[in-house]
Amino acid sequence: DTEVTQTPKHLVMGMTNKKSLKCEQHMGHRAMYWYKQKAKKPPELMFVYSYEKLSINESVPSRFSPECPNSSLLNLHLHALQPEDSALYLCASSQVTDYQPQHFGDGTRLSIL
Amino acid sequence: GEDVEQSLFLSVREGDSSVINCTYTDSSSTYLYWYKQEPGAGLQLLTYIFSNMDMKQDQRLTVLLNKKDKHLSLRIADTQTGDSAIYFCAESSTDKLIFGTGTRLQVFP
Repeated sequence: DTEVTQTPKHLVMGMTNKKSLKCEQHMGHRAMYWYKQKAKKPPELMFVYSYEKLSINESVPSRFSPECPNSSLLNLHLHALQPEDSALYLCASSQVTDYQPQHFGDGTRLSIL
Repeated sequence: GEDVEQSLFLSVREGDSSVINCTYTDSSSTYLYWYKQEPGAGLQLLTYIFSNMDMKQDQRLTVLLNKKDKHLSLRIADTQTGDSAIYFCAESSTDKLIFGTGTRLQVFP
């Protein structure tokens, strides 16, 4: 069982829709991450939050908008996505950003029609 | 820049040992990790090793680190069908994980 919970597990949306992915952890971690993973590839880092502040944005298109309402929650708001954005979106958390192991959720499988 | 490489595929018989190898380029890496990903799931942290260690054992898992050659390996003893998955090694120096390409382990009876 994972201690990082992601919802929904699956999401199908059209290119004009607006939706949000949610991630929650109750391990007291102060760093949270969003990754994108395409089939048969390693995860690619998108965003890093440290103490609820955005610390890294890996040049992600603005149609992806992260939000960290508090230390336990991380959202990813989606708008006007493209078919190539279809992927598994993974959330992770760690105690702090530096040198700490990251714990992953099971991901949201996103399909863009 | 950093680069982490793994062989793509490994096939072993149930009960045998599996050895998954990884090479990395960043000599400043502080921690090195092994993650397991089963179909349709996220990444499960299996084990990790600090860069001043050369070996770590955890039940059926043994991690060996050759810092001079920048080579990391994961040995799984008595491999079971439930070990079939993709295994990623990863290195971290500060606030990012750099993942390897992943090794698909297939266990056959």
